[in-house]
Amino acid sequence: AQSVTQPDIHITVSEGASLELRCNYSYGATPYLFWYVQSPGQGLQLLLKYFSGDTLVQGIKGFEAEFKRSQSSFNLRKPSVHWSDAAEYFCAVGGLRNYGGSQGNLIFGKGTKLSVKP
Amino acid sequence: ETGVTQTPRHLVMGMTNKKSLKCEQHLGHNAMYWYKQSAKKPLELMFVYNFKEQTENNSVPSRFSPECPNSSHLFLHLHTLQPEDSALYLCASSQVRLGSNRSGANVLTFGAGSRLTVL
Repeated sequence: AQSVTQPDIHITVSEGASLELRCNYSYGATPYLFWYVQSPGQGLQLLLKYFSGDTLVQGIKGFEAEFKRSQSSFNLRKPSVHWSDAAEYFCAVGGLRNYGGSQGNLIFGKGTKLSVKP
Repeated sequence: ETGVTQTPRHLVMGMTNKKSLKCEQHLGHNAMYWYKQSAKKPLELMFVYNFKEQTENNSVPSRFSPECPNSSHLFLHLHTLQPEDSALYLCASSQVRLGSNRSGANVLTFGAGSRLTVL
């Protein structure tokens, strides 16, 4: 079955420290991978995506993620966290989207809530 | 207005009420979605519309009724809801790129959501 696992429900890091949020997926076809961020009371904003090519992808706000096929992982990283990064982060996986079909609809993990200490 | 706009942002209704959530996208996308976000659960896909046609109903109870009059607007009509339906309802849109194999990657743009409380 297709699934996304974010093993950490809640992470707290100090401002300026590095961050890594974990994401593992199970997907039968070639996956497209995404990280979204949700601030309180807001919708989800796309941070970055991986479709093909270089397995290290850069996103907005200084985030990056690395696709490791052998580990079925797509971990999100940031070298130095800012207080404004406190939010909930969602990993998602999808595949090729066929018109009229469900293949390609995104499957989301349960999210990791990030708190930032001053 | 830009992006995906949802109204109302907050809605409180009784179990016998009838209300509607509205979503409008200003991105020229051809697909629209309703997601339900409950506490401690992954986002649940409810409905998908491609080119105004419903292409997916993810086993959603009939007390939720979607409507997509055109590619820019999506509604979710609510009636006789239950307290467990209280959640954040997120609308999203995407541009489904149809190539020679009628497929494309799906990048969703989300609205800010409508927080629904059912009493």
